[in-house]
Amino acid sequence: GQNIDQPTEMTATEGAIVQINCTYQTSGFNGLFWYQQHAGEAPTFLSYNVLDGLEEKGRFSSFLSRSKGYSYLLLKELQMKDSASYLCAVKPGGYQKVTFGIGTKLQVIP
Amino acid sequence: EAQVTQNPRYLITVTGKKLTVTCSQNMNHEYMSWYRQDPGLGLRQIYYSMNVEVTDKGDVPEGYKVSRKEKRNFPLILESPSPNQTSLYFCASSKSGGNTGELFFGEGSRLTVL
Repeated sequence: GQNIDQPTEMTATEGAIVQINCTYQTSGFNGLFWYQQHAGEAPTFLSYNVLDGLEEKGRFSSFLSRSKGYSYLLLKELQMKDSASYLCAVKPGGYQKVTFGIGTKLQVIP
Repeated sequence: EAQVTQNPRYLITVTGKKLTVTCSQNMNHEYMSWYRQDPGLGLRQIYYSMNVEVTDKGDVPEGYKVSRKEKRNFPLILESPSPNQTSLYFCASSKSGGNTGELFFGEGSRLTVL
Protein backbone atom coordinates (compact mmCIF):
# COMPACT_ATOMS: atom_id res chain seq x y z
CA GLY A 1 0.00 0.00 0.00
CA GLN A 2 0.88 3.65 0.00
CA ASN A 3 1.63 5.72 3.08
CA ILE A 4 2.43 9.42 3.09
CA ASP A 5 3.07 11.31 6.32
CA GLN A 6 3.27 15.03 6.88
CA PRO A 7 2.58 17.22 9.91
CA THR A 8 -1.02 18.28 10.31
CA GLU A 9 -0.40 21.89 11.25
CA MET A 10 2.45 24.40 11.44
CA THR A 11 2.73 28.03 12.42
CA ALA A 12 5.43 30.42 11.24
CA THR A 13 6.11 34.15 11.33
CA GLU A 14 5.87 36.51 8.41
CA GLY A 15 9.28 36.99 6.81
CA ALA A 16 10.68 33.78 8.25
CA ILE A 17 11.57 30.44 6.64
CA VAL A 18 9.54 27.28 7.16
CA GLN A 19 10.23 23.69 6.18
CA ILE A 20 7.38 21.23 5.68
CA ASN A 21 8.45 17.61 5.74
CA CYS A 22 6.94 14.64 3.98
CA THR A 23 7.88 10.99 4.31
CA TYR A 24 6.49 8.29 2.11
CA GLN A 25 6.40 4.54 1.73
CA THR A 26 5.13 3.40 -1.63
CA SER A 27 5.34 0.27 -3.74
CA GLY A 28 7.19 2.19 -6.43
CA PHE A 29 8.29 5.72 -7.15
CA ASN A 30 7.82 7.86 -10.21
CA GLY A 31 7.85 11.38 -8.79
CA LEU A 32 6.74 13.52 -5.86
CA PHE A 33 4.58 16.63 -6.06
CA TRP A 34 3.82 19.52 -3.78
CA TYR A 35 0.53 21.37 -4.15
CA GLN A 36 -0.78 24.45 -2.39
CA GLN A 37 -4.42 24.67 -1.40
CA HIS A 38 -6.04 27.76 0.06
CA ALA A 39 -9.13 27.18 2.17
CA GLY A 40 -12.15 26.43 0.00
CA GLU A 41 -10.13 26.45 -3.21
CA ALA A 42 -8.63 23.90 -5.56
CA PRO A 43 -5.06 22.64 -5.13
CA THR A 44 -2.49 24.27 -7.37
CA PHE A 45 0.80 22.78 -8.49
CA LEU A 46 3.99 24.00 -6.79
CA SER A 47 6.77 21.57 -7.59
CA TYR A 48 7.80 18.18 -8.88
CA ASN A 49 10.82 16.09 -7.94
CA VAL A 50 11.79 12.81 -9.51
CA LEU A 51 15.55 12.85 -8.91
CA ASP A 52 17.37 13.42 -5.63
CA GLY A 53 18.26 16.96 -4.78
CA LEU A 54 16.87 20.43 -4.46
CA GLU A 55 14.61 22.15 -6.95
CA GLU A 56 14.32 25.90 -6.47
CA LYS A 57 11.54 28.07 -7.80
CA GLY A 58 11.50 31.58 -6.46
CA ARG A 59 10.66 31.62 -2.75
CA PHE A 60 9.77 27.93 -2.82
CA SER A 61 12.19 25.01 -2.94
CA SER A 62 11.56 21.29 -2.79
CA PHE A 63 14.01 18.58 -1.83
CA LEU A 64 13.90 14.85 -2.43
CA SER A 65 15.83 11.88 -1.06
CA ARG A 66 14.55 8.71 -2.69
CA SER A 67 16.67 6.41 -0.53
CA LYS A 68 15.15 7.89 2.62
CA GLY A 69 11.63 8.25 1.25
CA TYR A 70 11.76 11.88 2.27
CA SER A 71 10.94 15.26 0.85
CA TYR A 72 10.56 18.75 2.17
CA LEU A 73 9.09 21.98 0.92
CA LEU A 74 10.97 25.11 1.95
CA LEU A 75 9.19 28.44 1.93
CA LYS A 76 11.34 31.55 2.32
CA GLU A 77 10.39 35.14 3.13
CA LEU A 78 6.97 34.04 4.29
CA GLN A 79 4.03 36.20 3.39
CA MET A 80 0.55 36.23 4.87
CA LYS A 81 -0.83 34.88 1.60
CA ASP A 82 1.26 31.72 2.12
CA SER A 83 -1.24 30.65 4.78
CA ALA A 84 -2.66 27.53 3.16
CA SER A 85 -2.51 23.77 3.21
CA TYR A 86 0.45 22.13 1.50
CA LEU A 87 -0.16 18.71 0.03
CA CYS A 88 2.55 16.16 -0.60
CA ALA A 89 1.65 13.67 -3.33
CA VAL A 90 3.51 10.68 -4.72
CA LYS A 91 3.23 8.97 -8.06
CA PRO A 92 4.21 5.44 -7.04
CA GLY A 93 4.49 3.98 -10.49
CA GLY A 94 2.37 4.16 -13.53
CA TYR A 95 0.79 7.37 -14.50
CA GLN A 96 -2.52 7.23 -12.81
CA LYS A 97 -2.03 6.51 -9.14
CA VAL A 98 -1.15 9.83 -7.59
CA THR A 99 -1.61 9.43 -3.84
CA PHE A 100 -1.94 12.46 -1.60
CA GLY A 101 -0.98 13.00 2.01
CA ILE A 102 -3.54 14.64 4.27
CA GLY A 103 -1.82 18.01 3.93
CA THR A 104 -0.08 20.42 6.28
CA LYS A 105 -2.04 23.50 7.26
CA LEU A 106 0.38 26.39 7.54
CA GLN A 107 -0.59 29.53 9.40
CA VAL A 108 1.57 32.59 8.88
CA ILE A 109 1.32 35.09 11.71
CA PRO A 110 2.48 38.73 11.78
CA GLU B 1 -8.09 30.18 -20.76
CA ALA B 2 -6.98 26.66 -19.84
CA GLN B 3 -9.30 25.29 -17.22
CA VAL B 4 -11.18 22.42 -15.67
CA THR B 5 -14.85 23.21 -15.12
CA GLN B 6 -17.10 21.40 -12.68
CA ASN B 7 -20.84 21.73 -12.18
CA PRO B 8 -22.62 22.16 -9.91
CA ARG B 9 -20.32 23.95 -7.47
CA TYR B 10 -22.74 23.42 -4.60
CA LEU B 11 -25.53 20.90 -4.23
CA ILE B 12 -27.78 19.75 -1.44
CA THR B 13 -29.73 16.60 -2.21
CA VAL B 14 -31.51 13.76 -0.45
CA THR B 15 -30.62 10.12 -0.01
CA GLY B 16 -31.31 8.03 -3.07
CA LYS B 17 -31.81 10.80 -5.59
CA LYS B 18 -29.47 10.17 -8.52
CA LEU B 19 -27.15 13.00 -9.41
CA THR B 20 -24.34 13.75 -11.83
CA VAL B 21 -21.43 16.09 -11.34
CA THR B 22 -20.02 17.18 -14.67
CA CYS B 23 -16.37 17.85 -15.43
CA SER B 24 -14.97 19.34 -18.60
CA GLN B 25 -11.42 20.34 -19.56
CA ASN B 26 -10.28 22.38 -22.55
CA MET B 27 -6.59 21.39 -22.53
CA ASN B 28 -6.89 18.22 -24.61
CA HIS B 29 -5.62 16.20 -21.66
CA GLU B 30 -5.74 12.43 -21.91
CA TYR B 31 -5.85 11.77 -18.18
CA MET B 32 -8.75 12.76 -15.93
CA SER B 33 -9.54 11.85 -12.36
CA TRP B 34 -12.05 12.40 -9.57
CA TYR B 35 -11.09 12.97 -5.94
CA ARG B 36 -13.05 13.53 -2.79
CA GLN B 37 -11.64 15.56 0.07
CA ASP B 38 -12.71 15.06 3.66
CA PRO B 39 -11.30 16.60 6.86
CA GLY B 40 -8.47 14.52 8.27
CA LEU B 41 -8.44 12.20 5.25
CA GLY B 42 -7.03 14.37 2.51
CA LEU B 43 -7.66 13.86 -1.18
CA ARG B 44 -8.69 10.34 -2.09
CA GLN B 45 -9.01 9.12 -5.64
CA ILE B 46 -12.42 7.81 -6.70
CA TYR B 47 -11.98 6.96 -10.37
CA TYR B 48 -9.59 7.88 -13.12
CA SER B 49 -9.45 7.67 -16.90
CA MET B 50 -6.38 7.31 -19.05
CA ASN B 51 -8.24 8.20 -22.24
CA VAL B 52 -11.60 7.91 -24.00
CA GLU B 53 -13.45 4.73 -23.01
CA VAL B 54 -10.66 3.78 -20.56
CA THR B 55 -11.59 4.12 -16.89
CA ASP B 56 -10.48 2.42 -13.69
CA LYS B 57 -11.19 2.44 -9.97
CA GLY B 58 -9.22 4.53 -7.57
CA ASP B 59 -9.04 4.02 -3.82
CA VAL B 60 -12.67 4.76 -2.90
CA PRO B 61 -14.91 3.85 -5.89
CA GLU B 62 -17.88 2.40 -3.99
CA GLY B 63 -21.13 4.22 -4.72
CA TYR B 64 -19.79 6.06 -7.77
CA LYS B 65 -19.77 5.56 -11.51
CA VAL B 66 -17.97 7.41 -14.29
CA SER B 67 -17.91 7.48 -18.05
CA ARG B 68 -15.49 8.85 -20.63
CA LYS B 69 -17.25 9.07 -23.96
CA GLU B 70 -15.43 12.20 -25.04
CA LYS B 71 -11.92 13.33 -24.28
CA ARG B 72 -12.96 16.59 -22.67
CA ASN B 73 -15.72 15.28 -20.37
CA PHE B 74 -15.58 13.00 -17.35
CA PRO B 75 -18.85 13.03 -15.38
CA LEU B 76 -19.17 11.54 -11.89
CA ILE B 77 -22.43 9.73 -11.25
CA LEU B 78 -23.93 8.96 -7.86
CA GLU B 79 -26.72 6.49 -8.61
CA SER B 80 -28.13 6.44 -5.07
CA PRO B 81 -26.37 9.02 -2.92
CA SER B 82 -25.99 8.40 0.79
CA PRO B 83 -25.00 10.77 3.63
CA ASN B 84 -21.45 9.34 3.74
CA GLN B 85 -20.94 10.76 0.26
CA THR B 86 -21.24 14.27 1.64
CA SER B 87 -17.90 15.71 0.66
CA LEU B 88 -15.93 18.16 -1.43
CA TYR B 89 -15.27 16.71 -4.87
CA PHE B 90 -12.50 17.69 -7.25
CA CYS B 91 -12.03 16.78 -10.86
CA ALA B 92 -8.49 16.96 -12.23
CA SER B 93 -6.77 16.43 -15.54
CA SER B 94 -3.23 16.14 -16.82
CA LYS B 95 -1.37 15.43 -19.98
CA SER B 96 -0.20 11.85 -20.32
CA GLY B 97 3.47 11.59 -21.02
CA GLY B 98 4.13 15.12 -19.88
CA ASN B 99 7.34 15.91 -18.06
CA THR B 100 5.71 16.21 -14.69
CA GLY B 101 2.16 15.01 -15.12
CA GLU B 102 1.00 17.85 -12.90
CA LEU B 103 -2.69 17.81 -12.17
CA PHE B 104 -4.95 20.72 -13.03
CA PHE B 105 -7.92 20.85 -10.69
CA GLY B 106 -11.43 22.13 -11.10
CA GLU B 107 -12.81 24.53 -8.49
CA GLY B 108 -14.55 21.79 -6.57
CA SER B 109 -18.14 20.68 -6.00
CA ARG B 110 -19.44 20.70 -2.46
CA LEU B 111 -22.08 18.02 -2.10
CA THR B 112 -24.38 17.52 0.89
CA VAL B 113 -26.57 14.43 1.06
CA LEU B 114 -29.36 14.60 3.64
